Amino acid sequence: GNSVTQMEGPVTLSEEAFLTINCTYTATGYPSLFWYVQYPGEGLQLLLKATKADDKGSNKGFEATYRKETTSFHLEKGSVQVSDSAVYFCALSEGWTSYGKLTFGQGTILTVHP
Amino acid sequence: SQTIHQWPATLVQPVGSPLSLECTVEGTSNPNLYWYRQAAGRGLQLLFYSVGIGQISSEVPQNLSASRPQDRQFILSSKKLLLSDSGFYLCAWSPRGAANTGELFFGEGSRLTVL
Repeated sequence: GNSVTQMEGPVTLSEEAFLTINCTYTATGYPSLFWYVQYPGEGLQLLLKATKADDKGSNKGFEATYRKETTSFHLEKGSVQVSDSAVYFCALSEGWTSYGKLTFGQGTILTVHP
Repeated sequence: SQTIHQWPATLVQPVGSPLSLECTVEGTSNPNLYWYRQAAGRGLQLLFYSVGIGQISSEVPQNLSASRPQDRQFILSSKKLLLSDSGFYLCAWSPRGAANTGELFFGEGSRLTVL
């Protein structure tokens, strides 16, 4: 079956530091890949996505590239802010017919200090 | 604009008691609806999804059931709660058909503690 593995957290950084959150996946077909973010006290919201190999998703300074050869979708940001403190979830779905039926990683808690 | 409401936000229930979590979506029609659960230290797991009134698909065997009595209403229930039902439950929706880009829109969740 499908699975998503995220780097263990929590991750603690100082403001303006570089962020990488690793995500690798196992899937039988050609999945679409997503990063969702959950800010304190809020529901999950889509941060970025990529639907095919070598696609780069980007939003709010975050980027992730769909690497089929390494089955990875690592999240990066060049300079984090305190407001980026949240829980980040990597997820996949087996193509558009299975949109919504997402397989999630366990989530990574990010805390950014001033 | 579309909104999703989920309640109650927090619930503490004794083992063996019933459960009802409710979710409603506003501002859209014919959405796909989903119930996810996050157990402590684990990722979100899809429990049920629905593509229409009365149409429920279960993804994992469990002590829970779901119903969709109206187009934009999705209910998660249990007749007798178990300790293992504790967790954070999230309702979500997505557009149907060509409007579906893979993005899910989540409610703010219901935290259930079974004692």
